[in-house]
Order: sequence, then C-alpha cells, then structure tokens
Amino acid sequence: DTGVSQNPRHKITKRGQNVTFRCDPISEHNRLYWYRQTLGQGPEFLTYFQNEAQLEKSRLLSDRFSAERPKGSFSTLEIQRTEQGDSAMYLCASSYTGDYGYTFGSGTRLTVV
Amino acid sequence: TQLLEQSPQFLSIQEGENLTVYCNSSSVFSSLQWYRQEPGEGPVLLVTVVTGGEVKKLKRLTFQFGDARKDSSLHITAAQPGDTGLYLCAGAEGGTASKLTFGTGTRLQVTL
Repeated sequence: DTGVSQNPRHKITKRGQNVTFRCDPISEHNRLYWYRQTLGQGPEFLTYFQNEAQLEKSRLLSDRFSAERPKGSFSTLEIQRTEQGDSAMYLCASSYTGDYGYTFGSGTRLTVV
Repeated sequence: TQLLEQSPQFLSIQEGENLTVYCNSSSVFSSLQWYRQEPGEGPVLLVTVVTGGEVKKLKRLTFQFGDARKDSSLHITAAQPGDTGLYLCAGAEGGTASKLTFGTGTRLQVTL
C-alpha cells in the first residue's frame, strides 16, 4: 500500500462550477476524514466516515459541500457552485479505529477564479 | 469549539540552535499529536502523546504533554536545515481515530 492518494493534485475552476475530488485511503483503514486548509492556517475539519457511514459533518460546511464513501473504500468530496472563498487545500486522511495517528494524502489544491 | 494556539507563529534560526514550540488550549484533550508539513504536501505524523505529563523523544525532538492535558511543547535540539517546515499540533477530543482540532501552526526555517 502506497499511502493515501488524492486526485487531482491541482484544480482551477471558474466561479459557479462544480468540482469533485477523490480520495483513496489506506486499504485497511476504516476511518476517512476530509479537512480544508487555507494559507497560513492549520487544517480545519470538514467531515469523517467510518466505513461507509458519514458520522460527523462540520457546522461550517455549507449545503454546497457533499461527501460520499459509497463502499467504505474511496471517498469523493463535491463542491457545487464554487465561490472564491472555497479556494484552499483539501486534505484527506485515513486511520484505523484503535490508532491515534492519521495518514494524510498530499491534498488537492483548489483555485476558484 | 476547542481552540489550540501555537507560539511562536514564525521562527527563523541558524543551524545548531535549539528551539521550543508551544501549543496551548483552555480545553482538555484525550491525546495530542504533532505533525510536520512541507509546502504542497499533507501533514506527516511525528508523535502522539496520551498521558498527562508524558515525555517522548524522537532523535533530536522532545515532545511533552502537560499534566492537565491542555498544553504541549516540542523542543528541537541542534536544529538542522532538514527540520524546516510547518509544525502543527492537533488535539483529539475522543479516543483513538477521533476528529482532530489543529493548532494555528509554527513555521520554522533553519538556515546554514
């Protein structure tokens, strides 16, 4: 296993367009997390899954954001009607219940123009 | 909302110097983790501390968890240019594999 994989690495989109990011976690990890990080800040929690169940969603997450993990393996994060304020690094991480640490992917850098 | 404040925000030092980064909160965490992040990459886990007063050493890095589990520190001895990066502390509210609250980050630059 080569770690957590995120695609694409970079995405430039026009304001108002929809974008979708994919995350492939470490195969034996049952928990998957999405975080967002803006320049100069620490990552901010968005949502997380245990297997295919979405257990928590941040109150900061607007209705334009949706995440899925249909078979408990990979996950997608969709942003509808993107706004300039959505520009950030979107980070995915995975972990196994019983472990403390996360393994993060390299992130998807979104730029909304 | 639990907040983690890190200090200093920026640190520029020369190779061979020692430094300490602080991570403080008014809330109690069940565990605290330290990560290092390179530009354009995701954070990489350095250590997890779980018990109040716990001290862990990783080569030249020493991590301490406060007795009350509200604060932590990272001490680097004889810093090297390879230590350059963004250092993030992150607290877990629940048990293992729970949601993390990240600190504001400390950007360290070590020059020759």
